[in-house]
Amino acid sequence: EAGVTQFPSHSVIEKGQTVTLRCDPISGHDNLYWYRRVMGKEIKFLLHFVKESKQDESGMPNNRFLAERTGGTYSTLKVQPAELEDSGVYFCASSQSTITGTSYEQYFGPGTRLTVT
Amino acid sequence: QKEVEQDPGPLSVPEGAIVSLNCTYSNSAFQYFMWYRQYSRKGPELLMYTYSSGNKEDGRFTAQVDKSSKYISLFIRDSQPSDSATYLCAMVRRGFKTIFGAGTRLFVKA
Repeated sequence: EAGVTQFPSHSVIEKGQTVTLRCDPISGHDNLYWYRRVMGKEIKFLLHFVKESKQDESGMPNNRFLAERTGGTYSTLKVQPAELEDSGVYFCASSQSTITGTSYEQYFGPGTRLTVT
Repeated sequence: QKEVEQDPGPLSVPEGAIVSLNCTYSNSAFQYFMWYRQYSRKGPELLMYTYSSGNKEDGRFTAQVDKSSKYISLFIRDSQPSDSATYLCAMVRRGFKTIFGAGTRLFVKA
């Protein structure tokens, strides 16, 4: 079974440009999460999709970040315009839904390393 | 004060040693506790997942949760060089976001 995949693995852009990150969750996982780790800091939650709906987007830094999950499959995270402080590693994770609700056994992708210069 | 505290290390041990990794937390509402292993340039890999207090064992790994002390531990027996990685604790309260520790870098020397 394929794991969570992310594309690209690395992106270098200039301040002010736009970047779109993609995540393909494990097939059948309704829950999709975006996280970010900036250098020297903890992994921080950005948002949580259940199927195509945003369940929690409390971690999104500001309105320069836009996440979508059309059709409840893959997700994209767009940063527009990018700023220097957006540099970091962006992780996507997915988990199943169970009878009792969301499973917190999250499976992570390899991450996208974003560098804004 | 951070909700989850984890010593970043690094922690260096000889091969075969028992490793103890720990996290403390402040939110008594946390219900689920996880340990992830992360190799360099890879995503976190779920190692252990426990609900509430008690111990859980999986091969050489034992996870321990002490909710009265707000303290969780991961023990690695017979450590191997391949165990060298960053170990992240994480915890969550149902319906809320997952909170991660900073991660402890572990080096197991052959």
